[in-house]
Amino acid sequence: GDSVTQMEGPVTLSEEAFLTINCTYTATGYPSLFWYVQYPGEGLQLLLKATKADDKGSNKGFEATYRKETTSFHLEKGSVQVSDSAVYFCALSDPGGFKTIFGAGTRLFVKA
Amino acid sequence: DTGVSQDPRHKITKRGQNVTFRCDPISEHNRLYWYRQTLGQGPEFLTYFQNEAQLEKSRLLSDRFSAERPKGSFSTLEIQRTEQGDSAMYLCASTPTSATYEQYFGPGTRLTVT
Repeated sequence: GDSVTQMEGPVTLSEEAFLTINCTYTATGYPSLFWYVQYPGEGLQLLLKATKADDKGSNKGFEATYRKETTSFHLEKGSVQVSDSAVYFCALSDPGGFKTIFGAGTRLFVKA
Repeated sequence: DTGVSQDPRHKITKRGQNVTFRCDPISEHNRLYWYRQTLGQGPEFLTYFQNEAQLEKSRLLSDRFSAERPKGSFSTLEIQRTEQGDSAMYLCASTPTSATYEQYFGPGTRLTVT
């Protein structure tokens, strides 16, 4: 079945450091790919998305590129801030959009 | 638009009791999803409604679990004869059919079975 694997956390960085959180997926067909974020005490919210191969999703300085050849959707940010501390979930949705499969999440801590 | 709401936010129950959770999606969102999230894991899909029709159920949804969306608006998730393994965060999400499948999540209901 479809699945998402993302790097284990926690990831601890200093402010202004470069961030990469790896995500790979297994899916039949052509899924849409997402990064969701969960800030402390808040619900899940969409960070960015890509719906086809080579699309780049971006938001709030974060970006990820849908790589079909490597079945990957790695999240990157050039300069993290303390306010980026959260849990990040990589996810895929089947072409029908009937359900979304989430990775286990990666917790990010950013130190001032 | 007030977003997806869930009630209650927290529920503590004794093993063997029945519990019911409610989800109110964003108005005019015709797709509604239920997920379960345990500590340190991502949300796991439970079931999905298109309007009032329940179109898919995960094998995680045992016969003790039932979900309804009688008028295509709010939904309820009932767990009968709760077990300690049912302790988790239960998340509801909604989306309009026209969206490219990103989902809008509620704050969740945290269930603790003692």
